[in-house]
Amino acid sequence: QQQVKQSPQSLIVQKGGISIINCAYENTAFDYFPWYQQFPGKGPALLIAIRPDVSEKKEGRFTISFNKSAKQFSLHIMDSQPGDSATYFCAASGNTGFQKLVFGTGTRLLVSP
Amino acid sequence: DVKVTQSSRYLVKRTGEKVFLECVQDMDHENMFWYRQDPGLGLRLIYFSYDVKMKEKGDIPEGYSVSREKKERFSLILESASTNQTSMYLCASSYPGYNQPQHFGDGTRLSIL
Repeated sequence: QQQVKQSPQSLIVQKGGISIINCAYENTAFDYFPWYQQFPGKGPALLIAIRPDVSEKKEGRFTISFNKSAKQFSLHIMDSQPGDSATYFCAASGNTGFQKLVFGTGTRLLVSP
Repeated sequence: DVKVTQSSRYLVKRTGEKVFLECVQDMDHENMFWYRQDPGLGLRLIYFSYDVKMKEKGDIPEGYSVSREKKERFSLILESASTNQTSMYLCASSYPGYNQPQHFGDGTRLSIL
């Protein structure tokens, strides 16, 4: 019940295309859903996050869509660029006082020029 | 900018050795975390600390211990290294609060021979 399932494992998108990464969770106590971006040789960094009281959050070319009833959320990267090539992790945590994030297994995105 | 510094980028040790991984953050964060990152498994929490001398087990604490004697420093200890502990280890820190971003170091790639 603590798992966050992420798909696909890898993704190749042409420059200018839309990249879509999906995540699903079981634990209804989760109420914070961040996405982290990791470049080779670097640690992950927070990209964008959402709370379940909204269905969508957009920051520039990055959008999180959230479906509370289906317990699913997804990251959309519009107009994907080669510089977006990285590994993306979804995560979830509950409001338990301690920030214990449960991470998905990661998606390696390659944006071809 | 928040800086989380891990003492070694690469480390090679032998089976049975006691191994210390060090992490220092410069943002006066209360929370600190140790994760291991393995292909196809994402990031898994080993231990975290919410205050000096306080620690909590994460999802995979077996074979590991931690030490937090000062607020800015969090050490991960492999009591008797084994080959299945070969991995990338990531340290992170954050302010209290379940929706605070975690700031990661660039990782230590540890090989146990």
